[in-house]
Amino acid sequence: DQQVKQNSPSLSVQEGRISILNCDYTNSMFDYFLWYKKYPAEGPTFLISISSIKDKNEDGRFTVFLNKSAKHLSLHIVPSQPGDSAVYFCAARGTASKLTFGTGTRLQVTL
Amino acid sequence: DTGVSQNPRHKITKRGQNVTFRCDPISEHNRLYWYRQTLGQGPEFLTYFQNEAQLEKSRLLSDRFSAERPKGSFSTLEIQRTEQGDSAMYLCASSQEQGEFPYEQYFGPGTRLTVT
Repeated sequence: DQQVKQNSPSLSVQEGRISILNCDYTNSMFDYFLWYKKYPAEGPTFLISISSIKDKNEDGRFTVFLNKSAKHLSLHIVPSQPGDSAVYFCAARGTASKLTFGTGTRLQVTL
Repeated sequence: DTGVSQNPRHKITKRGQNVTFRCDPISEHNRLYWYRQTLGQGPEFLTYFQNEAQLEKSRLLSDRFSAERPKGSFSTLEIQRTEQGDSAMYLCASSQEQGEFPYEQYFGPGTRLTVT
């Protein structure tokens, strides 16, 4: 069972515009959510996180929104830059601090 | 602090051989995790250590897999009698469960295993 879902395998956005990456989860016991960015041949790099008791967290160009009632979170990147092109994984923290990841969304920022 | 390191970065082995991977976590981190990632999927949890104690193992971790973290520092993941289905990227992550950011896990570059 896929407890964390990223339904868009890919997204293309023009440089300077907003990128919105979405993530849905099914397990209401998840208490912390994280976004990771991954370049080819590298491990995932931590980007931003949010506690389940909050609905928004902002760090520079990156903002994560959490809608607990809908079990949905999103990552906003504004303005998008070509260096943001990567695969983005949504992850949720469950028991024993282990993370459950989605399948990723490949973001392409075009000039 | 140089981050999480993993060795080797790539390993090609023949089916039936044993392989061992090493992970060196961020020095002050007390938790260490192993994940496996296959093509088109996100990382999947395998096991984790709190200091030197292995506290949980996923059902993905068959009897052919064993992990250790002697003295709570580096960790090794061994796969015995490798099978082609073991081909994947093996990722190590570490975190500090006390402090300001207890939940962020920091990943190494991974070891890509190819079983022929």
